[in-house]
Amino acid sequence: QQQVKQSPQSLIVQKGGISIINCAYENTAFDYFPWYQQFPGKGPALLIAIRPDVSEKKEGRFTISFNKSAKQFSLHIMDSQPGDSATYFCAASIASGGYQKVTFGTGTKLQVIP
Amino acid sequence: NAGVTQTPKFRVLKTGQSMTLLCAQDMNHEYMYWYRQDPGMGLRLIHYSVGEGTTAKGEVPDGYNVSRLKKQNFLLGLESAAPSQTSVYFCASRDRQRFDEKLFFGSGTQLSVL
Repeated sequence: QQQVKQSPQSLIVQKGGISIINCAYENTAFDYFPWYQQFPGKGPALLIAIRPDVSEKKEGRFTISFNKSAKQFSLHIMDSQPGDSATYFCAASIASGGYQKVTFGTGTKLQVIP
Repeated sequence: NAGVTQTPKFRVLKTGQSMTLLCAQDMNHEYMYWYRQDPGMGLRLIHYSVGEGTTAKGEVPDGYNVSRLKKQNFLLGLESAAPSQTSVYFCASRDRQRFDEKLFFGSGTQLSVL
């Protein structure tokens, strides 16, 4: 059962454009929603994260929009650059048995073309 | 500062062979995790540990064993490798006290089972 659904699977955006990746979750007990960025041959790295008590978080060109009632959240990359080309994973976590259980989405491969 | 180091980076096994993947972290993190990454399936948790001498099963533990004899090391073992275990394996660690719940990932081990 996929608890965090991510779309699209792949995305091509022109340099300077806006990249948008969407995620939906089912479990309303999730209390932390991070986004990870992964370059080829590397491990994922935390990009930005949000908690459900706020509707938006911005860090530089990256913004998370969070809709608690719809159980959806999205990553917006403004002024997309070729260096942003990577795979992006959304995730959701919940306290379980003394630790935070993290469930990842299936990933979105972003390509930013010059 | 090395962070999370995984060895080996690549390995080819024949069906039925055994091997151990080593993860070492130098950040004094309490929590450590083993994930596998497969195309279209995101990251799935195999086993995790909340402290030295403790381990627990994740989403997909069958066919794997783990040990955490020292706080800085987390070993993942395959006793009898199967082609279904062909994957990229990532180790991650986290500071129990960190509010942002950031996972620190290694660079991965690409394993092929023939």
